[in-house]
Amino acid sequence: QQPVQSPQAVILREGEDAVINCSSSKALYSVHWYRQKHGEAPVFLMILLKGGEQKGHDKISASFNEKKQQSSLYLTASQLSYSGTYFCGIGSSNTGKLIFGQGTTLQVKP
Amino acid sequence: DSGVTQTPKHLITATGQRVTLRCSPRSGDLSVYWYQQSLDQGLQFLIQYYNGEERAKGNILERFSAQQFPDLHSELNLSSLELGDSALYFCASSVGTRGNEQFFGPGTRLTVL
Repeated sequence: QQPVQSPQAVILREGEDAVINCSSSKALYSVHWYRQKHGEAPVFLMILLKGGEQKGHDKISASFNEKKQQSSLYLTASQLSYSGTYFCGIGSSNTGKLIFGQGTTLQVKP
Repeated sequence: DSGVTQTPKHLITATGQRVTLRCSPRSGDLSVYWYQQSLDQGLQFLIQYYNGEERAKGNILERFSAQQFPDLHSELNLSSLELGDSALYFCASSVGTRGNEQFFGPGTRLTVL
């Protein structure tokens, strides 16, 4: 039931782009994206509700494909501050329960 | 700063003991969630309360219990502690019951010796 994230880890140079995928075996109602730095709390990035929409702010955007039951997070022109572990959480249609993927570790180097 | 507060920040205790973790949600949020994060299990949903009522339950052990009080703060009680309970425990809050942004508190790091 846990969504599968890929890749597990990625290393970038500043200014490069990255894509993180989140695939679910269940029908998607909502997908929540978070970034967590070591020892800190997960920080909310964005939420996508079913409808195949794409959202974004600044250089981070995400897509939601209900048919494929997957979401992708796009990081463009990465900055050092983007380093951390990214989690997708699959939301329930009737509660706030989130089931998180195993995380993708992103490291941005100068 | 998410606006969610958790106390204590760190807790060190022995096996078999009981502890209480406390969470105050963001102003205006009615839902409180508890998550456990350990190295081998990742971020695991434990339980959700909405306006004082239990709304959803995850794989929460019987030794664990939670409640949400009329002022909306929540407590997570962990009893008969085992070494494997050592983890980061996060509280999160949101406005509604589902489909809303969840804002995480700084967490309580529990170490069971």
